[in-house]
Amino acid sequence: NAGVTQTPKFQVLKTGQSMTLQCAQDMNHEYMSWYRQDPGMGLRLIHYSVGAGITDQGEVPNGYNVSRSTTEDFPLRLLSAAPSQTSVYFCASSYSPGQATDTQYFGPGTRLTVL
Amino acid sequence: GESVGLHLPTLSVQEGDNSIINCAYSNSASDYFIWYKQESGKGPQFIIDIRSNMDKRQGQRVTVLLNKTVKHLSLQIAATQPGDSAVYFCDSFRGTPLVFGKGTRLSVIA
Repeated sequence: NAGVTQTPKFQVLKTGQSMTLQCAQDMNHEYMSWYRQDPGMGLRLIHYSVGAGITDQGEVPNGYNVSRSTTEDFPLRLLSAAPSQTSVYFCASSYSPGQATDTQYFGPGTRLTVL
Repeated sequence: GESVGLHLPTLSVQEGDNSIINCAYSNSASDYFIWYKQESGKGPQFIIDIRSNMDKRQGQRVTVLLNKTVKHLSLQIAATQPGDSAVYFCDSFRGTPLVFGKGTRLSVIA
């Protein structure tokens, strides 16, 4: 049981480039989400999904796309990278949001730098 | 909208002492709160949670207190150890994706 995995661990992009951050979980969790964390700041929700085929916007969705074709995978796409997107990106999953004993499991993060 | 904030951004504690990290929230409809710990270079990790129908919940060396009257919760860590050094987030759930506070950095002085 690997939990939540993210690739790559580090990435450097030039402004305007596009790329996909991968996230996968092997716990059969319905709920998955993407956060970004800037230095000295808390986590901000980008997009989330409550199940395969269902996605929704979070707090800071602009410049990012997601899809959820399978329960296991939830990739995050940067359409045209900008320096403001330099951040650490965390993927998380849980059985379902709102249950009292339901916690989110986080991946190790992807550190992205946009030049 | 929901506001989950922290009173103090940093906290330094002597090893062996107890630590208290505080958090405030503004949405009285929040019914579930979680504390996460994030060590340097790692993703957040669940510590303990509490539902709004409880005032106190204890785990191993950690206790969460919830005061709904003043919309305040705290995380108490007993006998703080160097391994407790991390950023601690309080988080509230309100039926939609979790909203995180800014975090408090706990530094343990050996």
